[in-house]
Amino acid sequence: SQELEQSPQSLIVQEGKNLTINCTSSKTLYGLYWYKQKYGEGLIFLMMLQKGGEEKSHEKITAKLDEKKQQSSLHITASQPSHAGIYLCGAVLTSYDKVIFGPGTSLSVIP
Amino acid sequence: GAVVSQHPSRVICKSGTSVKIECRSLDFQATTMFWYRQFPKQSLMLMATSNEGSKATYEQGVEKDKFLINHASLTLSTLTVTSAHPEDSSFYICSARRTARQNGYTFGSGTRLTVV
Repeated sequence: SQELEQSPQSLIVQEGKNLTINCTSSKTLYGLYWYKQKYGEGLIFLMMLQKGGEEKSHEKITAKLDEKKQQSSLHITASQPSHAGIYLCGAVLTSYDKVIFGPGTSLSVIP
Repeated sequence: GAVVSQHPSRVICKSGTSVKIECRSLDFQATTMFWYRQFPKQSLMLMATSNEGSKATYEQGVEKDKFLINHASLTLSTLTVTSAHPEDSSFYICSARRTARQNGYTFGSGTRLTVV
């Protein structure tokens, strides 16, 4: 969807390196979801952010939503080959609305 | 946790035939389900919103007569691709919305459709 942009489009990092993926909306978001996908497979839920300034972490992955609720970042610390895949941000614009997705970021981690 | 079951996971059909894909919420009721399509190297594009007991709402550019959606119960929505053609080959994935909790949307595992 053009309503959501992700950067970078693709990323190749060496194992152990940190990385950040960004998701930007032109509109204020009700909720922001991060998912991981192996191509052709289902989505793996990572995190949901709803409040401005909110930050959540799970294992080596941290996601933040800015105060304006228009931009989110996903940060992976000490990347591993298991982190490789496509990272998708999904946004909900209003309560009980549909989820629209960004174009995705393809991550490769080189051992 | 909430589970959405999607079947079949893979299907191959002949051009001109119809294919039905099921999306079931196993342990919760879903008044609203969503259907997405994903082409190679692309993101998920929303096709339609399925509401229990009423007509589905289709996104712009999606043919409602070709992609029939039925949401007859609170736990089941079906997507039927009618008169399938090779260009309909894609990855289809459904999502069910629960109440507004930490993870309000649960996705199925997807269906890989190949039309030959």
